[in-house]
Amino acid sequence: ETGVTQTPRHLVMGMTNKKSLKCEQHLGHNAMYWYKQSAKKPLELMFVYNFKEQTENNSVPSRFSPECPNSSHLFLHLHTLQPEDSALYLCASSQDHRGGTEAFFGQGTRLTVV
Amino acid sequence: EDQVTQSPEALRLQEGESSSLNCSYTVSGLRGLFWYRQDPGKGPEFLFTLYSAGEEKEKERLKATLTKKESFLHITAPKPEDSATYLCAVQALIDAGNNRKLIWGLGTSLAVNP
Repeated sequence: ETGVTQTPRHLVMGMTNKKSLKCEQHLGHNAMYWYKQSAKKPLELMFVYNFKEQTENNSVPSRFSPECPNSSHLFLHLHTLQPEDSALYLCASSQDHRGGTEAFFGQGTRLTVV
Repeated sequence: EDQVTQSPEALRLQEGESSSLNCSYTVSGLRGLFWYRQDPGKGPEFLFTLYSAGEEKEKERLKATLTKKESFLHITAPKPEDSATYLCAVQALIDAGNNRKLIWGLGTSLAVNP
């Protein structure tokens, strides 16, 4: 496989459920990101990891918990979400965590919270 | 306040009808401007990076240009497969320590009719 792969592609969960989103990159990049994309809003950066270390957390609620076991894998653990958390969650990777180089995105996970 | 504005919000063209999309920005220190293409239900796909005013880049029917205040994405003789949302993102310097942030526009939704 090449590029950035996200699973699952679609997820429906209740507000009391716990689920995880997975991202894997095969590009040899050092930095990985989680973004949230909602209708009529610009892309929102959630978390940034560089060489497995979290370098940015943009005031994201604690019901979203990221995990980066190595520079190729990134998870987003979800628990007790709210309906307004329904969105497209995108994973991305880049060579430079400071944003100086282009990012490559996965296909995204379409999350619906019911 | 750092800001990125894309116009128009939506554009409908006939096949072969050339046009331009605009990305205007007000940031304190530009470190790069990125163009991405996003198809429905998918993650953004990187197109171009521009770093300084006067720079131009081309790829097939697309040409991106940059001035000190805005960037244009020119589409020459578009085809239906060019239909997508085109996103612009600006990397801005946020402090003297060379820390940066990426500011995204809302995108232009392009539809090319056969």
